[in-house]
Amino acid sequence: AQSVTQLGSHVSVSEGALVLLRCNYSSSVPPYLFWYVQYPNQGLQLLLKYTTGATLVKGINGFEAEFKKSETSFHLTKPSAHMSDAAEYFCAVILNTGNQFYFGTGTSLTVIP
Amino acid sequence: GAGVSQSPRYKVAKRGQDVALRCDPISGHVSLFWYQQALGQGPEFLTYFQNEAQLDKSGLPSDRFFAERPEGSVSTLKIQRTQQEDSAVYLCASSQREGQASEAFFGQGTRLTVV
Repeated sequence: AQSVTQLGSHVSVSEGALVLLRCNYSSSVPPYLFWYVQYPNQGLQLLLKYTTGATLVKGINGFEAEFKKSETSFHLTKPSAHMSDAAEYFCAVILNTGNQFYFGTGTSLTVIP
Repeated sequence: GAGVSQSPRYKVAKRGQDVALRCDPISGHVSLFWYQQALGQGPEFLTYFQNEAQLDKSGLPSDRFFAERPEGSVSTLKIQRTQQEDSAVYLCASSQREGQASEAFFGQGTRLTVV
């Protein structure tokens, strides 16, 4: 069974500080990995994804994530937080032969001016 | 259309009432997915369509939930005899290719509140 763990349901950072949101997965086979952002009363917007190839993935809005197979992790980072980054962030996986996402429970990011 | 469109955006239903939630996928998209997102949780898979065929309905929580996509485009998720635990945001997603959830685009969701 797929499991996605996001450590920290709430994260607060100062504007301009590093953003680090953690995601670990449990799977015997490395899945496809995703980060989505959700603004209030909005749907899910894809930030970035890893399927194959380079393990450091760059996404929109300055975010990036690194797939580390040995650690079964896919942590999301951004060097400098902006106020507009305040939102809910979801890590998700898909088995590369599957057709459904398994989402984590989300991390709410607050950016302090 | 430009994106996945869901209607209504908000729905309040009295317990026991039937509801129907609509999803208009991106034109030409073969695959369509429904997810349920309870408050404070991540979305959970409900069902998957490839064109008009419902290939996976393993996530539907009970026989009160029913989804259809009769012409392979618009989909409707129906919930009969709604209960308070059905309160959630229902998200629809579509992708161009068969089974390619990894390329799916999500709609804004329908927030269902059962009172």
